[in-house]
Amino acid sequence: KAGVTQTPRYLIKTRGQQVTLSCSPISGHRSVSWYQQTPGQGLQFLFEYFSETQRNKGNFPGRFSGRQFSNSRSEMNVSTLELGDSALYLCASRPEINSPLHFGNGTRLTVT
Amino acid sequence: GNSVTQMEGPVTLSEEAFLTINCTYTATGYPSLFWYVQYPGEGLQLLLKATKADDKGSNKGFEATYRKETTSFHLEKGSVQVSDSAVYFCALKGNGGSQGNLIFGKGTKLSVKP
Repeated sequence: KAGVTQTPRYLIKTRGQQVTLSCSPISGHRSVSWYQQTPGQGLQFLFEYFSETQRNKGNFPGRFSGRQFSNSRSEMNVSTLELGDSALYLCASRPEINSPLHFGNGTRLTVT
Repeated sequence: GNSVTQMEGPVTLSEEAFLTINCTYTATGYPSLFWYVQYPGEGLQLLLKATKADDKGSNKGFEATYRKETTSFHLEKGSVQVSDSAVYFCALKGNGGSQGNLIFGKGTKLSVKP
């Protein structure tokens, strides 16, 4: 069974641009969560989607948004990029609400 | 609010040494507790978990016991291997919260030398 797939693996963007990251969950998993990982702040929860509905949202500005499609694939978008948005963005999926998370290998975003 | 505190690394050990990585938490009620491991260039993998007081999670020779009285969930392994070199994260899910919203510690980097 394929794991959680995140694309692209690496991304370089310029301040002010916007970016879209993609996540394909494990087949059959209906929940997708997104985390931001930085050396200073560690892992911080961004949002969670279940069956196309946002269930939880972390403490991030409105520049960070996401969505989930009917096939459970998810995208997150960051608009008006700032240098501080440079991070590893991790996606995780699970089959049901109380199942453990399965993480992808992440997308490394660098903002210059 | 809920929080997790882990010992700061890096931790450097020789092969076959005993490992302890301390983790304490602050939470109301009865959270579920987890250890995740992140190998270089990869995402996080669930290592073990415990959902109630006195539960012991174990996997791949690693163990952690949920201690309500000391609000701790320390990770231990009797004999580490070079392949255990990774970053270890302690995490909790608050009572009533979705597991999608885990609170993570800052991570502890472990290096095991041959």
